[in-house]
Amino acid sequence: NAGVTQTPKFQVLKTGQSMTLQCAQDMNHNSMYWYRQDPGMGLRLIYYSASEGTTDKGEVPNGYNVSRLNKREFSLRLESAAPSQTSVYFCASNRQAEAFFGQGTRLTVV
Amino acid sequence: SQELEQSPQSLIVQEGKNLTINCTSSKTLYGLYWYKQKYGEGLIFLMMLQKGGEEKSHEKITAKLDEKKQQSSLHITASQPSHAGIYLCGADFNDYKLSFGAGTTVTVRA
Repeated sequence: NAGVTQTPKFQVLKTGQSMTLQCAQDMNHNSMYWYRQDPGMGLRLIYYSASEGTTDKGEVPNGYNVSRLNKREFSLRLESAAPSQTSVYFCASNRQAEAFFGQGTRLTVV
Repeated sequence: SQELEQSPQSLIVQEGKNLTINCTSSKTLYGLYWYKQKYGEGLIFLMMLQKGGEEKSHEKITAKLDEKKQQSSLHITASQPSHAGIYLCGADFNDYKLSFGAGTTVTVRA
């Protein structure tokens, strides 16, 4: 019963570097999400995927790209990291009555 | 999310006292989630409400969705140090997104 698994848990990047955050769920959920959490701002939706093969922008998509590789996996890519992208990132999956979250990735861009 | 307003932003309560957090939506809610988060950790699902007037309880935490389905309240009875953390409400607006409020930070003083 892994639920939602995110990797890595911590990452430090230099400005301009790229990286991909990985997310996988084993609950056969159709919907998956990527959020960022900053102090005092709650969870802000970056991108979401309502089903395999579809992705849509959320509130704060600039500087990010996503891929819904299959029903299980939804990755978030930073092509050219900026200090403003320093944050805690959460992946989630959802099917009606409950949304499950990963443990988060703490990303620092220096 | 600008569509969800949580109040208060933070509160300090004496151990043993009750507290209430509100979550107000600018549009009709198809589902309202409550989560708790310890600082630096993932989100713990508390409960989900879907029907107007619905009320659910888990241990000393009770949440209610009003009849018009645009506001929810979370009430903690006889607070304990274990209730400290950030409480987040999340909304299903029937658009595949899952939007969150900015959160309420609860401090419980012994």
